[in-house]
Amino acid sequence: QKEVEQDPGPLSVPEGAIVSLNCTYSNSAFQYFMWYRQYSRKGPELLMYTYSSGNKEDGRFTAQVDKSSKYISLFIRDSQPSDSATYLCAMSPNILTGGGNKLTFGTGTQLKVEL
Amino acid sequence: DAMVIQNPRYQVTQFGKPVTLSCSQTLNHNVMYWYQQKSSQAPKLLFHYYDKDFNNEADTPDNFQSRRPNTSFCFLDIRSPGLGDAAMYLCATSRFSGRATYNEQFFGPGTRLTVL
Repeated sequence: QKEVEQDPGPLSVPEGAIVSLNCTYSNSAFQYFMWYRQYSRKGPELLMYTYSSGNKEDGRFTAQVDKSSKYISLFIRDSQPSDSATYLCAMSPNILTGGGNKLTFGTGTQLKVEL
Repeated sequence: DAMVIQNPRYQVTQFGKPVTLSCSQTLNHNVMYWYQQKSSQAPKLLFHYYDKDFNNEADTPDNFQSRRPNTSFCFLDIRSPGLGDAAMYLCATSRFSGRATYNEQFFGPGTRLTVL
């Protein structure tokens, strides 16, 4: 079983739709939960991160974490064609040792928003 | 603009011919990472440097080596590329202060390696 599971899609939605992207995980040590967006042939860019359980909103994007269920979500409201990309969830434990934080990624969900 | 730069963006090599990928950063971050991302798969951490301290992941093959001659540059050397090493190689950086429990990783655009 992978530490992080993510439905690879592809997911195709019409412009203006609400998109829900999800990941499940098995490692209870994960404390920080990130969503990255990756356009074709580009590196991932951080969209949002959340610490522990709860919700976080940034414009059209809302991230939710439910640690009791080991389940995280990213919602995109009023989706636009420019949102078409692969969305990767990533997680890390709370580490205060030297070497920074190690990210464990999901495989990514490919999203296409159509006109 | 402060950024993470990877060169080349596309690299073609022959089976068994050593190849070096380059990463540079203007963010003055003390941690640099190398990830391997195969098609439709999650990025997989190969190793990282915390300043000059090298940290290898347990399952990274010996075929992969890295050098960090200074804060700004980091290199990924693949000594004898096999067909299975064809992938996107991503460099990332972060600043670890020793106090913060989360530090954002900034990714470069990646180098796509093809092995013939």
